[in-house]
Amino acid sequence: QVTLRESGPALVKPTQTLTVTCTFSGFSLTTTGMCVSWIRQAPGKAPEWLALIDWDDDKFYSASLQTRLTISKDTSKNQVVLTMTNMDAADTATYYCARLATAGAYYYYGMDVWGQGTPVTVS
Amino acid sequence: QSVLTQPPSVSGTPGQWVTLSCTGSDSNIGYYEVHWYQQLPGTAPRLLIQHNDNRASGVPDRFSGSKSGTSASLAITGLRPEDEADYYCQSYDKVLRGVVFGGGTTLTVL
Repeated sequence: QVTLRESGPALVKPTQTLTVTCTFSGFSLTTTGMCVSWIRQAPGKAPEWLALIDWDDDKFYSASLQTRLTISKDTSKNQVVLTMTNMDAADTATYYCARLATAGAYYYYGMDVWGQGTPVTVS
Repeated sequence: QSVLTQPPSVSGTPGQWVTLSCTGSDSNIGYYEVHWYQQLPGTAPRLLIQHNDNRASGVPDRFSGSKSGTSASLAITGLRPEDEADYYCQSYDKVLRGVVFGGGTTLTVL
């Protein structure tokens, strides 16, 4: 069974750096085709894609946020970490991680398993 | 303003058939595949349809997806009260060089 669980601070001050961790089980990020994405969803808004890391350690970022984002993985711990710098009230959202199981380029695939999300308030 | 346009709300009665639309452009839906998610209140999105028309594991065959040109649709037949949720379409945009979501449609089962 594939599961993902997000963890991180519930409250962050403006200008601080947010670090959220996705701990997963049921698959390995060393397996060809496996990817993990971060997505956030502000209250009452649509999801917004942030970043993706794949089994080969390739990293992809939202063009509008890429200067503030860093994604990394620790395959020994089955974790993916996202950092976002210079947090602002507009970054208040629930942050989700999700898996993509691909057989080709990631942009042809949906996110088949999501974590429950971790809410982050910037204030 | 989302790159993919969805009607904010759709409603139907139990047993009815409804369709939810998702309109994009040549740089996204016109070139890449569309995926659909269901989000029940207070929960994470759940993948319903992948690759335009493939139901995800465990998704009832009441749900079906299609794509034509720069638009996609999610059809739900035999509407049930438990189908009341937000529905989002998702694709990739080669101009923005990133994954994009629609603004979402709230389905109300009257």
